[in-house]
Amino acid sequence: DAKTTQPPSMDCAEGRAANLPCNHSTISGNEYVYWYRQIHSQGPQYIIHGLKNNETNEMASLIITEDRKSSTLILPHATLRDTAVYYCIVRVENKLSFGAGTTVTVRA
Amino acid sequence: EAGVAQSPRYKIIEKRQSVAFWCNPISGHATLYWYQQILGQGPKLLIQFQNNGVVDDSQLPKDRFSAERLKGVDSTLKIQPAKLEDSAVYLCASSLNWDGNQPQHFGDGTRLSIL
Repeated sequence: DAKTTQPPSMDCAEGRAANLPCNHSTISGNEYVYWYRQIHSQGPQYIIHGLKNNETNEMASLIITEDRKSSTLILPHATLRDTAVYYCIVRVENKLSFGAGTTVTVRA
Repeated sequence: EAGVAQSPRYKIIEKRQSVAFWCNPISGHATLYWYQQILGQGPKLLIQFQNNGVVDDSQLPKDRFSAERLKGVDSTLKIQPAKLEDSAVYLCASSLNWDGNQPQHFGDGTRLSIL
């Protein structure tokens, strides 16, 4: 079962930063936080992952709190094509357990 | 880099028939996964291969589902006989290895409808 808690939905404005929260209070020291997104009729798309340090790539930034009990995915300039279901996952024993995710709608 | 390839994209069968899905992972990826995604839910892992060996098949309904990866590259997932509740999208994913620091990359899946 998923060990993360995410809001079921959120809206954001096109061109603005989107901050997606995730709680994972029972995370263990060697477990990674992964973020995926799924656009309608496509497979999940890998976004970013991290263990302790903040991470940034061409798609997003991942901010992990010092106690590792929560994290935030930041999409710096949301576009309409970022509308999707976003999954925050704690990788346990090399498995990805997907929860319900957050449905993000980017509005013009 | 080519992504994970899956076929067919869609399949419609009647209950009690059999069906097979094919997956070609990203070149060089040793670990391959099959997931089932029922409408409105997140994907659920069915089986995981490391090269041509099964690492985890604890969630695979073995009375009707089978999977193989004979040469450690392509894989097939079969359902025989299909039930109505098997209607879902079947996703294949691959990763370089099963290290927790290696992301899984997914194909676009096969959408199966059981009549």
